[in-house]
Amino acid sequence: NAGVTQTPKFQVLKTGQSMTLQCAQDMNHNSMYWYRQDPGMGLRLIYYSASEGTTDKGEVPNGYNVSRLNKREFSLRLESAAPSQTSVYFCASTSAGSYNEQFFGPGTRLTVL
Amino acid sequence: DAKTTQPTSMDCAEGRAANLPCNHSTISGNEYVYWYRQIHSQGPQYIIHGLKNNETNEMASLIITEDRKSSTLILPHATLRDTAVYYCIVRGNAGNNRKLIWGLGTSLAVNP
Repeated sequence: NAGVTQTPKFQVLKTGQSMTLQCAQDMNHNSMYWYRQDPGMGLRLIYYSASEGTTDKGEVPNGYNVSRLNKREFSLRLESAAPSQTSVYFCASTSAGSYNEQFFGPGTRLTVL
Repeated sequence: DAKTTQPTSMDCAEGRAANLPCNHSTISGNEYVYWYRQIHSQGPQYIIHGLKNNETNEMASLIITEDRKSSTLILPHATLRDTAVYYCIVRGNAGNNRKLIWGLGTSLAVNP
């Protein structure tokens, strides 16, 4: 099993450009999450999807949209990137049947110039 | 808001036990204590969780005080690879309470 995979690993954007961060999991998990982590900070929840077909806002949803494409995939879209969105983005997933141990991907390092 | 308080940093000698404290004085009866760690910008890794009993697994032990207002994560024989930021998180296990709220964690340095 690959676990949680994220693409791309690195990305540089100019202000105003758009892009989609991809996340996929092969563990048949119901719930998926997108976090951002700024230097010296803990993780902050952007959006989550408790199950296929549902999405909800987290702490810092402004400037982002998400799509739960199917049970495996959960994408994060930046419609018009801003320098404040420079961060490391982590995707995670968890099984509804467990005590919600979250499995994390390796992260996407995004710089917005 | 994060519901836990942890020291900013700690040091430990290689081979010795690392004891990482966490204060969660406002924990409610249905909230669990979770520990994760993050090694040098990698994705966080789950370590252990507990409700009120002490727990042990292959990675660590979790000691929760009887009043549940604090806990200690114990790495029994720390190695250099245990150098990481350790996060203590409290959360419920139902509905929206499943979301994790992350604080700043404790940066543990294991020294040779």
